[in-house]
Amino acid sequence: GESVGLHLPTLSVQEGDNSIINCAYSNSASDYFIWYKQESGKGPQFIIDIRSNMDKRQGQRVTVLLNKTVKHLSLQIAATQPGDSAVYFCAEKTGSARQLTFGSGTQLTVLP
Amino acid sequence: EPEVTQTPSHQVTQMGQEVILRCVPISNHLYFYWYRQILGQKVEFLVSFYNNEISEKSEIFDDQFSVERPDGSNFTLKIRSTKLEDSAMYFCASSGQGIDTQYFGPGTRLTVL
Repeated sequence: GESVGLHLPTLSVQEGDNSIINCAYSNSASDYFIWYKQESGKGPQFIIDIRSNMDKRQGQRVTVLLNKTVKHLSLQIAATQPGDSAVYFCAEKTGSARQLTFGSGTQLTVLP
Repeated sequence: EPEVTQTPSHQVTQMGQEVILRCVPISNHLYFYWYRQILGQKVEFLVSFYNNEISEKSEIFDDQFSVERPDGSNFTLKIRSTKLEDSAMYFCASSGQGIDTQYFGPGTRLTVL
């Protein structure tokens, strides 16, 4: 079946640098995408979402970019901080269906 | 800020026993979900619930699983006869009317021995 996947399982960045976490999705019918942050032993925490009628959406220190042509999603974190260290998941939803399909996650480590 | 809560945080049970995992969704939300995450793997959808009935379920959600909203605040997941492979983190989530964003609880770690 179709699934959401991530390019890199781990990413290490220096504190203060920008981070880019990537996600590839294969269901061209997906029209809603969401990024979650998961710290160890905790539940997924909503970061930012985007609909397929948009290419870019910005939040506080985060930006999500959507490229529907190549079915690619990215999360940019500006001025990465130690508290940003976590696993980041992208997830997708299709039409009226409620279920989210999650990717496999990227472990972000912020180095001092 | 409103949040989804779950109890217990950790449940240990013997294979074949029944377990009930409990969730209190965000108070004005109308859609409720259960997901699970086996250690080191993706978060997987189990079931969604709306208007007192299941609206979607995955292949994982077989006859051993059931959900219920016994009152105006709780949402439960019951596993009738647990198997070793049911060991996982179980997350409850909720979302509002017309809103796609799902907010997750902290999870219940289920360990089946």
